[in-house]
Amino acid sequence: QKEVEQNSGPLSVPEGAIASLNCTYSDRGSQSFFWYRQYSGKSPELIMFIYSNGDKEDGRFTAQLNKASQYVSLLIRDSQPSDSATYLCAVSPNSGYALNFGKGTSLLVTP
Amino acid sequence: ETGVTQTPRHLVMGMTNKKSLKCEQHLGHNAMYWYKQSAKKPLELMFVYNFKEQTENNSVPSRFSPECPNSSHLFLHLHTLQPEDSALYLCASRPTGIDEQFFGPGTRLTVL
Repeated sequence: QKEVEQNSGPLSVPEGAIASLNCTYSDRGSQSFFWYRQYSGKSPELIMFIYSNGDKEDGRFTAQLNKASQYVSLLIRDSQPSDSATYLCAVSPNSGYALNFGKGTSLLVTP
Repeated sequence: ETGVTQTPRHLVMGMTNKKSLKCEQHLGHNAMYWYKQSAKKPLELMFVYNFKEQTENNSVPSRFSPECPNSSHLFLHLHTLQPEDSALYLCASRPTGIDEQFFGPGTRLTVL
C-alpha cells in the first residue's frame, strides 16, 4: 500500500517564526510531490510542488525533497496567523496518476 | 477560486433518497476526479476520468455511480447511502501533461 505519512499536529509556532512541516512516503517510484493548504471548511489549495531533489523556493514557502530518504518538507518563513490551516502532502507515482494524500498537519500560528 | 465549481455545496439526504452531485470546469482540463474527505482520514480517491473515460475506480461501493458526459462535467449519483458516507466530496481537475490537480469547493454531504 502506498502510504504518505504526516504528523497530525497541531504544530504551534509564534508569529514571525519558521514553521517546518514534514512528510514521508513509502513508494520509491514517486516522482511528483505537492503541498496543499486547506482552511477549515474549505477545499485544498495547491501552494507548492517539487519534482527534483533539493530545495524550491516560492516567496515565504520552501519545499525540500530528498528522494533517497523518501522525505519531503515544507518550510514557511515569517509565519502569519493567516497561515493557520491544515497542510496536506500529496505524492504522485507518475505523471497523470492520481495523488496519494497524507492526513495533513494542522498548523497554528499564534500572534 | 480555481475555476472548478461544485453543486450543491451542502446536501442532506435520507438513506432511501437518490441525489446527484455535479462538478463543472471550463478550464480545458481533460482529467477529472472525485475524492471523499472524512474527518480524521486522508483524502480518498474515488474515481478518475481521462478524456471522458473512467480510468480508475478505487473499490468504491456501487451506491456511488459516476458519470462523465463530457470533459467539462462530472457527476456523482448517490442512492441508498449509509450514515458513514457523510463526508466532504471534492471534485478536482487536471490539465493534460501537468500533474497538479485543482479542487472545487466541495459538497458537504450528510446522510441521515
